Amino acid sequence: ETGVTQTPRHLVMGMTNKKSLKCEQHLGHNAMYWYKQSAKKPLELMFVYNFKEQTENNSVPSRFSPECPNSSHLFLHLHTLQPEDSALYLCASSHPVRGQVETQYFGPGTRLLVL
Amino acid sequence: SQQGEEDPQALSIQEGENATMNCSYKTSINNLQWYRQNSGRGLVHLILIRSNEREKHSGRLRVTLDTSKKSSSLLITASRAADTASYFCATAGRRALTFGSGTRLQVQP
Repeated sequence: ETGVTQTPRHLVMGMTNKKSLKCEQHLGHNAMYWYKQSAKKPLELMFVYNFKEQTENNSVPSRFSPECPNSSHLFLHLHTLQPEDSALYLCASSHPVRGQVETQYFGPGTRLLVL
Repeated sequence: SQQGEEDPQALSIQEGENATMNCSYKTSINNLQWYRQNSGRGLVHLILIRSNEREKHSGRLRVTLDTSKKSSSLLITASRAADTASYFCATAGRRALTFGSGTRLQVQP
């Protein structure tokens, strides 16, 4: 148990559906991250939020829309996805020190299948 | 661009043996971290080594960092079947971590 929870754990959706992934951290961290992990590919950073402000968008398609209402919660809204978006989506949080990236704590991930 | 690159991609050893994984990276870093992932699950942080450190230990783990060669190694001593997992190095830039492709370790009982 890392202190970061993600729901749902598994999600199957059609290309025309709209769904949301939720992440919550109970660690008092001020930075939160979304990563995508596809088969046989390195973990890809998608978005970074610091104190609720988006500080990084790693050229992610607009069909992925993040939302960070407060430092403890992070959402990833999904719409009109493609089959190649099927992957494990991981949320993480950390407490940057003097602007440096420190240890990240990961949630268990949401396994997404787009049909 | 991808930063860390692990070697080997896969490693199979017997219980009790030591496992060594290597990581190479391309640009300057603030720190380098190693993570472990059991199949289809989230990553678990193992150890962080800063750019001014050369070696660090944590239990059965030993990490080295050579900034002149831009490389790091993770040694797991006296491996156990429960150590079976994928291991990733991650380099810390200003805003985020960049992960390598990982080493899949299989420890045979």
